[in-house]
Amino acid sequence: GESVGLHLPTLSVQEGDNSIINCAYSNSASDYFIWYKQESGKGPQFIIDIRSNMDKRQGQRVTVLLNKTVKHLSLQIAATQPGDSAVYFCAENISGNQFYFGTGTSLTVIP
Amino acid sequence: GAGVSQSPSNKVTEKGKDVELRCDPISGHTALYWYRQSLGQGLEFLIYFQGNSAPDKSGLPSDRFSAERTGGSVSTLTIQRTQQEDSAVYLCASTLAGGRNEQFFGPGTRLTVL
Repeated sequence: GESVGLHLPTLSVQEGDNSIINCAYSNSASDYFIWYKQESGKGPQFIIDIRSNMDKRQGQRVTVLLNKTVKHLSLQIAATQPGDSAVYFCAENISGNQFYFGTGTSLTVIP
Repeated sequence: GAGVSQSPSNKVTEKGKDVELRCDPISGHTALYWYRQSLGQGLEFLIYFQGNSAPDKSGLPSDRFSAERTGGSVSTLTIQRTQQEDSAVYLCASTLAGGRNEQFFGPGTRLTVL
């Protein structure tokens, strides 16, 4: 299968600081990416997506950056809050219905 | 409205037994996915249903795994002759029409094979 990896398995940030979660993907043909948030005991929840014809997309307090040159994706969370503590996954899609997920980064927000 | 529901939430079984996991998608969602999530790992695609089309079974790890979706709604994932390596959280997701539409996930079923 495709390789979707994360640079850091865990990340701790102070409440109010900005968080950056990184993701590397291996298939240059991937042209659609999604970030999910998974809280303990729950299923993943969609955060934001981006297509390969874009470099940046912003949502509410979140920004996704896509660097196709180095096949890198990042999720930036502004003013991180305790409720942001969760595991964050990136997923890539080449075409069709299959999505390949990374192993996740565990974000801990320190009050 | 109600989200995706899965049952049971937890299942403990003995090696060699068969198990059935159920997924109730969001009403009106025509596409349904099953994933497996092992401890500390990402999601592994298992199977995809879209309307009346033949399911994409390419992610099923062995012939002990099967799934069906009756009436285009409820889906059941069956694992026969369970093995310890089948222990994982099994997640179901549904979308309006598959493809690049937002997937809404259920809470998962945690399967433990002793």
